Amino acid sequence: SAVISQKPSRDICQRGTSLTIQCQVDSQVTMMFWYRQQPGQSLTLIATANQGSEATYESGFVIDKFPISRPNLTFSTLTVSNMSPEDSSIYLCSVDPGRGGRETQYFGPGTRLLVL
Amino acid sequence: SQKIEQNSEALNIQEGKTATLTCNYTNYSPAYLQWYRQDPGRGPVFLLLIRENEKEKRKERLKVTFDTTLKQSLFHITASQPADSATYLCALALDNYGQNFVFGPGTRLSVLP
Repeated sequence: SAVISQKPSRDICQRGTSLTIQCQVDSQVTMMFWYRQQPGQSLTLIATANQGSEATYESGFVIDKFPISRPNLTFSTLTVSNMSPEDSSIYLCSVDPGRGGRETQYFGPGTRLLVL
Repeated sequence: SQKIEQNSEALNIQEGKTATLTCNYTNYSPAYLQWYRQDPGRGPVFLLLIRENEKEKRKERLKVTFDTTLKQSLFHITASQPADSATYLCALALDNYGQNFVFGPGTRLSVLP
């Protein structure tokens, strides 16, 4: 299993600013994932962050808008840049502590972001 | 077009009854399917995984079935309790490497005492 914490748990931000969300895991994991969950909707994968390589972004998400860092096997950050009200969402990180394939994913508690 | 649907946005049942949640998909060929529970303000919690060549999986009061012909998974909670109230998400893994994954919209289950 894996225990994941995220900071901040919530924030209210002004349009045009940026917010960096931190994800900390209690064990070393190769694969970390960042998701977005917009109000009333399901989870959408933003990117996969593997330590030692560039993040892989899903269609519709770009590095300039959502830069990701993965400095070691227990930590990652996601930055939401130049925010607009459309970025208001819950951002979740998750890990696969197993052998890959995301057969078991553990999620953080999420960061609830409101952009005014 | 590809689509994943869960039977209803919300489901209310009486305590002690069996809750049945449905996950239907079109134009996908999943390698396996997962069910998660999500409580308000929390991240999803993994419950069960069922592979394409498995018909049924059980874990305590939970049972999942997977019919690749009907393109449907059913998630049952027997002897339901108010503590089972949550949103339940199904998720399809489109390969065995976890590279392609899609979540359903979820069903909000309320178990009434």
